[in-house]
Amino acid sequence: QKEVEQDPGPLSVPEGAIVSLNCTYSNSAFQYFMWYRQYSRKGPELLMYTYSSGNKEDGRFTAQVDKSSKYISLFIRDSQPSDSATYLCAMSESGGGADGLTFGKGTHLIIQP
Amino acid sequence: EPEVTQTPSHQVTQMGQEVILRCVPISNHLYFYWYRQILGQKVEFLVSFYNNEISEKSEIFDDQFSVERPDGSNFTLKIRSTKLEDSAMYFCASSETGEKLFFGSGTQLSVL
Repeated sequence: QKEVEQDPGPLSVPEGAIVSLNCTYSNSAFQYFMWYRQYSRKGPELLMYTYSSGNKEDGRFTAQVDKSSKYISLFIRDSQPSDSATYLCAMSESGGGADGLTFGKGTHLIIQP
Repeated sequence: EPEVTQTPSHQVTQMGQEVILRCVPISNHLYFYWYRQILGQKVEFLVSFYNNEISEKSEIFDDQFSVERPDGSNFTLKIRSTKLEDSAMYFCASSETGEKLFFGSGTQLSVL
């Protein structure tokens, strides 16, 4: 089963706060984990790409993967109003290639100025 | 910055009609994909394409759907006889190595 669960929100936080976004999954064969940002009426934009368990940092964004718990997270530090968007987690068994990505439903994030 | 381009941005069609959605992937990319997103639902995988053939397809991608790379720059999705439930945003994506996918802005298909 390729189920990915994600709280749809909306999640509303004040500017400057640390944001925590999460997904859980059931397929233990997932090896590659991604976070995409989607603005209204636009395509998903790749933010973070990680393989297996561990942390990855890129600027204000940190992605964490805990394969033992089947749980992934995205942290946004010093959140800005421009971070307001829907954040989609996605994962795959083979790197996103042939077998495609399985997406969560997305969390709608609102950063209040 | 290179981007995936999709045309048209909106397509309205009558049930039973054929539609072709067009995509220009990023120029040095070798892997191509179609996904769709029904309003309020998850982004769903339709098909992946590499080396001029389909690599994988989902249960959604039935005989009504086909993909083609007619030349060196375009990648198309054809729906032969549209149904009401085909109404969705269709995203094209491409990848250089089959790992990181880059998505276009989508074509909103409305079937009446």
